[in-house]
This record gives sequence, C-alpha cells and structure tokens, in this order.
Amino acid sequence: RKEVEQDPGPFNVPEGATVAFNCTYSNSASQSFFWYRQDCRKEPKLLMSVYSSGNEDGRFTAQLNRASQYISLLIRDSKLSDSATYLCVIHFGANNLFFGTGTRLTVIP
Amino acid sequence: NAGVTQTPKFRVLKTGQSMTLLCAQDMNHEYMYWYRQDPGMGLRLIHYSVGEGTTAKGEVPDGYNVSRLKKQNFLLGLESAAPSQTSVYFCASSSSATGEAFFGQGTRLTVV
Repeated sequence: RKEVEQDPGPFNVPEGATVAFNCTYSNSASQSFFWYRQDCRKEPKLLMSVYSSGNEDGRFTAQLNRASQYISLLIRDSKLSDSATYLCVIHFGANNLFFGTGTRLTVIP
Repeated sequence: NAGVTQTPKFRVLKTGQSMTLLCAQDMNHEYMYWYRQDPGMGLRLIHYSVGEGTTAKGEVPDGYNVSRLKKQNFLLGLESAAPSQTSVYFCASSSSATGEAFFGQGTRLTVV
C-alpha cells in the first residue's frame, strides 16, 4: 500500500467553480502535512501547510482529519491561474517526507 | 535570491556513461534531498543528507551515490547510467526535518 494516495484527476472545472481534493495516508504516526503546487515542467512549491485545526489562505482551505487519515484542499472561485498539479505531502519519522502522485487541475474559461 | 540551484538542467547520456548532478543552496539549510519524478509515480526519495559530511539512503537509492562535502552542496552521481534512470531529478533543501522543502528547477535526464 502506498504511503500517500491521491486521485490523479484530471479535474476540469469552469472558472469560478469550487473544487476539492482529498489525499489519504496510511501511517497514523504522520506528523506534518502539506499541499504543494507544481506547474507543468516546473519544480514543486509549497502552497500551504495543513494544521490540525484547519487553515485558510484566501481562496484556499486545507483540513486534516486524523481519525480517517486524510487531508483535503478546497479551492473556491477557481481562477485560470490555479491550473496546476497539486501534491499532497506527508511527513513522519526523522526524514520521511512522502509525496503523493499529484492531482491535476485544469480551470476552463 | 538563488535559493536552490541545480546543474545541469538537461542532459542526454548513453547507457553506461557516468555523470554528476550538482545541487547548491544558499539558505544555510542542514537538510538536503535528491528526488526523482516519473509519470504516475510521484516524487521518490533517492538519497538525503541531514548535514555536512552525512548521507543516507532513501526509497530508491540503487544505481546512485551522493556526497555532501560542503554544507551548501549535495552531489548526485550516476556511475553507470541505465535507461531506467531516465527521469526528472529534483534537489530540495529544508531547515528542519519537518519544515518546508525548497526545490531546485530540476534536471531532465535521458539515458539512451
């Protein structure tokens, strides 16, 4: 079983739509959780950390559900510039940072 | 601000050739990582380092070697390249084991 699992998509949504991604993880001892964004042929960049209490940054909301072992990312009022691949990242142990395969989002005009 | 810089950005190798990928960071980070990214596989950790002079194996270390002689540099070596090593390689660094990872721009390697 993979440490981190994501629906690869693609998710094709119209501008202005709300879209949500989930990511499940297998290790209950996981300590830190992140969402990274990766544009085509570019390096991943941190989008936001995910805290136990949930956190929001503008149109983006991240949540953690430890009981069900998943994290989520909600994007409201989608923009064309949101088109990218979103990577779920889970950290546990001394140096174990596991990346999901990514969910591709395309926002359509 | 340079951040994390990888060289080269592109390379084509013949099977059996060797090469070294260089990663340099100017953020004084202790932790450095080498990943490979393949379609449908996500990012997989090859080797990592928790400080100058230390290295450790990641998830897919076979066929690769690394060195961290200076804190700011992390080198990835391929002694005898194989077509299975065709991939995009990313270097990353972070200030702590649980903190944000900053990535280089990647190296696209093709082994023919």
